[in-house]
Amino acid sequence: AQSVAQPEDQVNVAEGNPLTVKCTYSVSGNPYLFWYVQYPNRGLQFLLKYITGDNLVKGSYGFEAEFNKSQTSFHLKKPSALVSDSALYFCAVRDPLWGGSARQLTFGSGTQLTVLP
Amino acid sequence: NAGVTQTPKFRVLKTGQSMTLLCAQDMNHEYMYWYRQDPGMGLRLIHYSVGEGTTAKGEVPDGYNVSRLKKQNFLLGLESAAPSQTSVYFCASSYLSRDFYDGEQYFGPGTRLTVT
Repeated sequence: AQSVAQPEDQVNVAEGNPLTVKCTYSVSGNPYLFWYVQYPNRGLQFLLKYITGDNLVKGSYGFEAEFNKSQTSFHLKKPSALVSDSALYFCAVRDPLWGGSARQLTFGSGTQLTVLP
Repeated sequence: NAGVTQTPKFRVLKTGQSMTLLCAQDMNHEYMYWYRQDPGMGLRLIHYSVGEGTTAKGEVPDGYNVSRLKKQNFLLGLESAAPSQTSVYFCASSYLSRDFYDGEQYFGPGTRLTVT
């Protein structure tokens, strides 16, 4: 089985400050990890993923995420937040050894990021 | 290139009524998915399809049926709507499973359904 947790429902940060959105996961084997963003009244958009290789993954819009196997975490980061980054962020996990042909992702409950001007 | 589109955007049903949600994608993706999104629960997979003519159950399939008669379309049906099916429904699609593209799903804008 696979699961993912986003411990914070809401994160507030001032514009220009660094931001972190937290995510922890649980899988049997090596995880595939993803971040998606959802703007109001829109579908989810893919931001970045970790499959293998370098633990620091860079994605769209200046976001990056660090895979930490010992802490089973995949936190989303950005060095300098913008007001336009305000959105709902979802972490997702896939255990390649589970889920059969669906390539099923398990999503976290989401974290609302608000960047204050 | 429209990506993934969903019809309708909004719908209000009375308990017991039926309806069909249409999803269309123009990216020639093999995989298609239907999710529901409820506050505080993330997205949960209802049904999915790995190719034309195939469908399978996801995490929360009860009360829903699906069909994939054409590769570009994936239909979600509610035969007898219940208030518990009030939700936002998202369709998504992705490439045939290759690790490089694994997990990159493309989402439609969603359908907000209210069942009274």
